[in-house]
Amino acid sequence: EAAVTQSPRSKVAVTGGKVTLSCHQTNNHDYMYWYRQDTGHGLRLIHYSYVADSTEKGDIPDGYKASRPSQENFSLILELASLSQTAVYFCASSRQNSDYTFGSGTRLLVI
Amino acid sequence: AQKVTQTQTSISVMEKTTVTMDCVYETQDSSYFLFWYKQTASGEIVFLIRQDSYKKENATVGHYSLNFQKPKSSIGLIITATQIEDSAVYFCAMRNNNNRIFFGDGTQLVVKP
Repeated sequence: EAAVTQSPRSKVAVTGGKVTLSCHQTNNHDYMYWYRQDTGHGLRLIHYSYVADSTEKGDIPDGYKASRPSQENFSLILELASLSQTAVYFCASSRQNSDYTFGSGTRLLVI
Repeated sequence: AQKVTQTQTSISVMEKTTVTMDCVYETQDSSYFLFWYKQTASGEIVFLIRQDSYKKENATVGHYSLNFQKPKSSIGLIITATQIEDSAVYFCAMRNNNNRIFFGDGTQLVVKP
């Protein structure tokens, strides 16, 4: 079954530490995305990619890096985690002009 | 500028009734795609229904349907015969020619027995 799998499901990180969120899709989709959701709010785009080895900045890229080493994998990296990056992070994949398939989300708490 | 606006923060309805959720969008693209997603209490986000901008017929999937009014840049979601399980947050979204999807802030739907 085609799916988007995120790991870890939740994480507690220390301020200033490095955090890597991983995403793996088996949909054979070209497009992958990382979104951030803050409590009671919508989804904001951090980074996205439409081909392996290439990433693009979204609306709120500051403080985040992304890596797409293969079509199936897309990582979000917080080099120096900050309190303001506490949120739920969603990965998604899609075909061109199509809807998204979302992962289950990663709940990140920075302390 | 691309923008999606949902003005209804929360709606409460009785079970088995019909509810309409509003959404307006802004885009300069001549062709675009509109979607509605549902986020359950567990946090899962699932795709519900889509409307392609070049199609005049309103999309329908199960007990979900759309009210697409292109001149008003409006795409309302209609849920008929609501069930308790329909209680969730509903997001309106628009995909542009750059294959990015812009989301509204969501509408919380509470279905009461």
